[in-house]
Amino acid sequence: EGQLVQSGAEVKKPGESLRISCRGSGYSFPNYWIGWARQMPGKGLEWMGIIYPGDSDIRYTPSFQGQVTISAEKSINTAYLQWTSLKASDTAMYYCARRKLSGTYFFGAFDIWGQGTMVTVSS
Amino acid sequence: EIVLTQSPGTLSLSPGGRATLSCRASQSVSSSYLAWYQQKPGQAPRLLIYGASSRATGIPDRFSGSGSGTDFTLTISRLEPEDFAVYYCQLFGSSLWTFGQGTKVDIK
Repeated sequence: EGQLVQSGAEVKKPGESLRISCRGSGYSFPNYWIGWARQMPGKGLEWMGIIYPGDSDIRYTPSFQGQVTISAEKSINTAYLQWTSLKASDTAMYYCARRKLSGTYFFGAFDIWGQGTMVTVSS
Repeated sequence: EIVLTQSPGTLSLSPGGRATLSCRASQSVSSSYLAWYQQKPGQAPRLLIYGASSRATGIPDRFSGSGSGTDFTLTISRLEPEDFAVYYCQLFGSSLWTFGQGTKVDIK
């Protein structure tokens, strides 16, 4: 059925850079969209962007365009979320998730989620 | 930009009760883009319903989704202790990506 495993929690200082990862297994990783979502402490979920690892087609939501970089390395079944200069307001849990595919149709739903990576940015 | 508004914010019910959660879109959307998720404290979201009314793999049949256009509903027919959680509706399709703010179902 598949699994997504994310990298571990991070504690960083403002201005530092960071890349977190999401590794897929048990399915054909290049052929499924991977989305990244943010959940700030005590708050709801927000989509940040998605990537199709097969050809690195990437799309960002307007709020996150220019704020983060999404990438993938299909040869190692891994997607990434990257910051060049973290802010305290980036403190959140970040989830990756696989978009549901049936045949050749991608539904507007995500059926497999990573366990989340907690990013804490504090001086 | 399409906004999803969930109501109520909190639903207090007893085990065995029936939960009806609402998700209203600010404009008409395709049902194929509408999904519902459950999230428990300290856990990742879990897909319950996709395409507005199709249950995801392994989801009990006490969960059902319905609706079209701008109004969508998640119903939990008989609440089990493990169902007390936060529920999010979500729109994802073309350039429309957003979550509702969530409905918390807690024990009365």
